[in-house]
Amino acid sequence: EAQVTQNPRYLITVTGKKLTVTCSQNMNHEYMSWYRQDPGLGLRQIYYSMNVEVTDKGDVPEGYKVSRKEKRNFPLILESPSPNQTSLYFCASSSSSGLRSGYTFGSGTRLTVV
Amino acid sequence: GESVGLHLPTLSVQEGDNSIINCAYSNSASDYFIWYKQESGKGPQFIIDIRSNMDKRQGQRVTVLLNKTVKHLSLQIAATQPGDSAVYFCAVLSGNTGKLIFGQGTTLQVKP
Repeated sequence: EAQVTQNPRYLITVTGKKLTVTCSQNMNHEYMSWYRQDPGLGLRQIYYSMNVEVTDKGDVPEGYKVSRKEKRNFPLILESPSPNQTSLYFCASSSSSGLRSGYTFGSGTRLTVV
Repeated sequence: GESVGLHLPTLSVQEGDNSIINCAYSNSASDYFIWYKQESGKGPQFIIDIRSNMDKRQGQRVTVLLNKTVKHLSLQIAATQPGDSAVYFCAVLSGNTGKLIFGQGTTLQVKP
């Protein structure tokens, strides 16, 4: 089944403790992206990657890092999480030739930073 | 920057009625639009899309209408069912980086 898989689904952590949210897709998509979803603010792009070793900032990149060493994986790294990064996170992918074909989203990771 | 807005945060309809969810966008150069459905505890799911060279596109029980003159997009759901209860987002492709700009979302509630 074609899908985007995120792990973990739920995570509670403490301020300053580094964490990684993994994202993997099995559709051979070139394009991958991370979004965060907050009440009243909707979905906002954090980082995106057009292909392997090519990443760039979205609208809200502060406090986050990403890497794209392989086509299928696009982990989101929080080096020193803070409470304002408590949010619902979504990874998404799309074929670059089909950027005009919409994204496939993962099921989300609900992160709480205390 | 580009923005996307929805007219109603919540829409309540009777089962079997038609639903219309509206969306407005700011950039007249936008050329690709998508509607997503998000059920509780899940990621957004693609429903239907439309390119700027079209005014209307139909899917199964859904129709998207695009009015480029007033920069308005709508999603029509025919014979709304309880399974249609969800949050619906419109999204606009921005620039050439593949970024989708999302609206705030409309919660559709279907009354039995």
